[in-house]
Amino acid sequence: DAGVTQSPTHLIKTRGQHVTLRCSPISGHKSVSWYQQVLGQGPQFIFQYYEKEERGRGNFPDRFSARQFPNYSSELNVNALLLGDSALYLCASSLGRQWLGETQYFGPGTRLLVL
Amino acid sequence: SQQGEEDPQALSIQEGENATMNCSYKTSINNLQWYRQNSGRGLVHLILIRSNEREKHSGRLRVTLDTSKKSSSLLITASRAADTASYFCATDGWETSGSRLTFGEGTQLTVNP
Repeated sequence: DAGVTQSPTHLIKTRGQHVTLRCSPISGHKSVSWYQQVLGQGPQFIFQYYEKEERGRGNFPDRFSARQFPNYSSELNVNALLLGDSALYLCASSLGRQWLGETQYFGPGTRLLVL
Repeated sequence: SQQGEEDPQALSIQEGENATMNCSYKTSINNLQWYRQNSGRGLVHLILIRSNEREKHSGRLRVTLDTSKKSSSLLITASRAADTASYFCATDGWETSGSRLTFGEGTQLTVNP
């Protein structure tokens, strides 16, 4: 079975632009979470979606938004990009049958550079 | 903010030696997980230990959890050059909804051949 896939792998944007990152979960997984990992730090939780509904949101500004589609794939959108948004964006999927204690499977990430 | 703190931040050992990494956290947890990350790529899940467990093994990995001290350790035995990576602990707790994981800063392990 294919693992979690993310696209694109790399992206370069300039300040003020908008970006859309995409994630396809493992087949059968209904929950998708997004994390931001700045160089040299651990990942930070941004959003979790389950059955197309937002189930959790981290401490990120409203410039960050996401959605989940009927096929459980997900998009992360970031508006008005800042230099500080440069990071590796990770998507993780899980079955979503247990709210706590599930293994989350991560994709390879999208590396975003904002100039 | 980061929930966990890994110790040490960096560890360099020779192939065949054991590597021990520690993680401390601040709030009550439901589970603690360890992940590996190679060169800024995606995270690979290593092991999950529940709050009512004290020790867990998986191949060359051994994880312990001490909820009274809010700490965990990851032991990699007979290390190999391929174990070179960053290792992160991640927790989830009853206070947070869904499957939100809170990660530490990570330990960079270098295994020299």
